Amino acid sequence: NAGVMQNPRHLVRRRGQEARLRCSPMKGHSHVYWYRQLPEEGLKFMVYLQKENIIDESGMPKERFSAEFPKEGPSILRIQQVVRGDSAAYFCASSPLTSAEGYTFGSGTRLTVV
Amino acid sequence: DAKTTQPPSMDCAEGRAANLPCNHSTISGNEYVYWYRQIHSQGPQYIIHGLKNNETNEMASLIITEDRKSSTLILPHATLRDTAVYYCIVRVRNNNAGNMLTFGGGTRLMVKP
Repeated sequence: NAGVMQNPRHLVRRRGQEARLRCSPMKGHSHVYWYRQLPEEGLKFMVYLQKENIIDESGMPKERFSAEFPKEGPSILRIQQVVRGDSAAYFCASSPLTSAEGYTFGSGTRLTVV
Repeated sequence: DAKTTQPPSMDCAEGRAANLPCNHSTISGNEYVYWYRQIHSQGPQYIIHGLKNNETNEMASLIITEDRKSSTLILPHATLRDTAVYYCIVRVRNNNAGNMLTFGGGTRLMVKP
């Protein structure tokens, strides 16, 4: 049973370009969470999604960031017009409907904006 | 979710027990204590959770005080691979898995040879 899969592992973008980060949850998991970790800082919650629905986006920046979790396919975190301050590790986690043990995290995508 | 307080860093000798404390004095009756760790550059890894009874699994033991205001994560025989940042989190464990995890600063555990 594969874990949470994130790709790409590393992504380099020039300022002003778009970044698309993908997350495939574990089989049977219907909930996806995105977190951001700036260099030398802790993990900050961004958004929580279920299939085709955004449940909580209280941690998402109001501009340039969006997330989706379509009926088919992976969850996508999209960052438009990236700036250097977007350079960070972005982690995705998934959980089943009932979450006794908490979440399973992926290995993250490291975004570098040059 | 209740706030937690952890020491920023700790050292432990390889092969010895690592005891990581966590204070959660404002925890409410329906909140569980969860522990995760993050090894450098990797995603956080679930370790253990509990409500009020002590818990043990293949990775660690969790000791929760009777008043539930603090807990201790115990790694019985620490190895170099246990060097990581350990996060203590309290949250409600509901049935729709809706609550996100709120990570604090954690404790940076350094296991030394």
